[in-house]
Amino acid sequence: AAGVIQSPRHLIKEKRETATLKCYPIPRHDTVYWYQQGPGQDPQFLISFYEKMQSDKGSIPDRFSAQQFSDYHSELNMSSLELGDSALYFCASSSRTDPSYEQYFGPGTRLTVT
Amino acid sequence: DQQVKQNSPSLSVQEGRISILNCDYTNSMFDYFLWYKKYPAEGPTFLISISSIKDKNEDGRFTVFLNKSAKHLSLHIVPSQPGDSAVYFCAVYSGGGADGLTFGKGTHLIIQP
Repeated sequence: AAGVIQSPRHLIKEKRETATLKCYPIPRHDTVYWYQQGPGQDPQFLISFYEKMQSDKGSIPDRFSAQQFSDYHSELNMSSLELGDSALYFCASSSRTDPSYEQYFGPGTRLTVT
Repeated sequence: DQQVKQNSPSLSVQEGRISILNCDYTNSMFDYFLWYKKYPAEGPTFLISISSIKDKNEDGRFTVFLNKSAKHLSLHIVPSQPGDSAVYFCAVYSGGGADGLTFGKGTHLIIQP
């Protein structure tokens, strides 16, 4: 079965640069979520989109923005990168018609800021 | 303040025995509880979940118990197998328009041969 696809899998950037992470949800899933997992930490919810509209917002810095496109893929844009942004970034998707609230996670993008 | 607490960073269990992973939460309004398993370099994989209206859910070797009065849930794995070695995250969904899952810090389960 198709899973959530994230690209790139690894990304190295310097301080103050920008980065764009991409997420392709499972086909027919209408909701996309972004999470950030720092070293030794639990995944922290950043933001979610349902049917291309922002649905919920968590601890996303103002330097970050995201959107969901007409084909349901999503992009997380990160500007003025800081060393503390080094983390694993997970995208997850789900369907609002699924009563289980299960979110299906992608393999993650490891961002390293030097 | 951590709303979901997994107080054991690691747990070592012998193959074939029962593994019990624990999770405590602070908000009695939480709606739905999930367990995820994570291998290194992979995303979390859904294992099993339970609604706040139930106190037990079973799926093969995995059983989740929910004690609402104690705000505590546990994941039982029996019998434990070497492939169960992974980090296990407890997560909660609070509903009410909030989409994001709130995770605990995880418990690293090590199954000893």
